[in-house]
Amino acid sequence: DAGITQSPRHKVTETGTPVTLRCHQTENHRYMYWYRQDPGHGLRLIHYSYGVKDTDKGEVSDGYSVSRSKTEDFLLTLESATSSQTSVYFCAISESGDRGVSQPQHFGDGTRLSIL
Amino acid sequence: GQQVMQIPQYQHVQEGEDFTTYCNSSTTLSNIQWYKQRPGGHPVFLIQLVKSGEVKKQKRLTFQFGEAKKNSSLHITATQTTDVGTYFCAGNNAGNMLTFGGGTRLMVKP
Repeated sequence: DAGITQSPRHKVTETGTPVTLRCHQTENHRYMYWYRQDPGHGLRLIHYSYGVKDTDKGEVSDGYSVSRSKTEDFLLTLESATSSQTSVYFCAISESGDRGVSQPQHFGDGTRLSIL
Repeated sequence: GQQVMQIPQYQHVQEGEDFTTYCNSSTTLSNIQWYKQRPGGHPVFLIQLVKSGEVKKQKRLTFQFGEAKKNSSLHITATQTTDVGTYFCAGNNAGNMLTFGGGTRLMVKP
């Protein structure tokens, strides 16, 4: 498996509190992604990064922010958590695509986040 | 935006039976990828299809990409209990971003 570490693996918190999830990679891949996985919705992209300090929004970015100050770290922050953000969060990495063809994504083990 | 639909959502099969999941995109794709996620695990990349009409095989798994590059399928011959999990297709039509289908959860009765 690719060297991807997500922390924490589990977290329970209360509505209105800030939450930060961390993704750390040792592969030196350019692209990093944050997804959420909910029953019946598959994987939905929250934000992604294509380099240090280069990030963009995905399909479900409202209520989330990200930062990437180093190649190896990609942080996902919920500024004020809501119960609708209870989910399993996956980080993924990939190398740059070639001539419009995407590269395989490698996923971390996920963070199970419960907001009460 | 791009939508990727996958059917069926669930499938129960007896061990030894075949299984197929279908993926349809609302837009023409540059390429399509397939992933498998075991219960409690994370998605794992299986294969990528790029060319129109492409067919690739991995042992008992056969992957097809439609001629119009808008649909794809995964067929498993003679399922085994090790095939249990959720299979996702993921379409790409620009850059490095993927749009995932909702997945097909395969359950195999021994």
